[in-house]
Amino acid sequence: EAGVAQSPRYKIIEKRQSVAFWCNPISGHATLYWYQQILGQGPKLLIQFQNNGVVDDSQLPKDRFSAERLKGVDSTLKIQPAKLEDSAVYLCASSSYGLAGAGKAWNTQYFGPGTRLTVL
Amino acid sequence: AQKVTQAQTEISVVEKEDVTLDCVYETRDTTYYLFWYKQPPSGELVFLIRRNSFDEQNEISGRYSWNFQKSTSSFNFTITASQVVDSAVYFCALSEAHPGRRALTFGSGTRLQVQP
Repeated sequence: EAGVAQSPRYKIIEKRQSVAFWCNPISGHATLYWYQQILGQGPKLLIQFQNNGVVDDSQLPKDRFSAERLKGVDSTLKIQPAKLEDSAVYLCASSSYGLAGAGKAWNTQYFGPGTRLTVL
Repeated sequence: AQKVTQAQTEISVVEKEDVTLDCVYETRDTTYYLFWYKQPPSGELVFLIRRNSFDEQNEISGRYSWNFQKSTSSFNFTITASQVVDSAVYFCALSEAHPGRRALTFGSGTRLQVQP
């Protein structure tokens, strides 16, 4: 079974530029998460989707960050304009919650390889 | 609000030593889930274990074991006979049952270095 896919793996931009990250979750996983991991810290949630609806975006800086999951499968996270403090690894995760027959592992989140963003 | 504390920032051991990584959590919910993830130098978070709040049975998987104690709100992780490949950052995480709080709250991580 293929894991969570993310692209690009690395991105370097200048401040005030825009950037977009893409995530394709594990096939059939209804719930998708975006986390931000700043160097030396644990990941922090930015946004949670179930199918194509937003469950929690309370920690998403909405003045510059946006995310969508239009068809309930893959997702895009965008930053516009980027700031120096946005330098971090952006991690996408998915879980089978919301999927019929998910069983005991329904809320185990599986992570992609991440996108390392450097803002200069 | 939920919180996870990993007080050990970095631990260094010599190969074949046993090592325990500590995790203390806070939550107001009676139903919650605890996780451990490994983050090797490659950066990807690898799922190790999931434990729900109603199951205090300790678990062993090969050289890994986990001790869940509800009375002290702790979920500690022990690696027996450590190996160089165990070198990584280990994260403890918590999620709750409420639909709006299922996202993971992570601790700050413990960096484990296993020297040959």
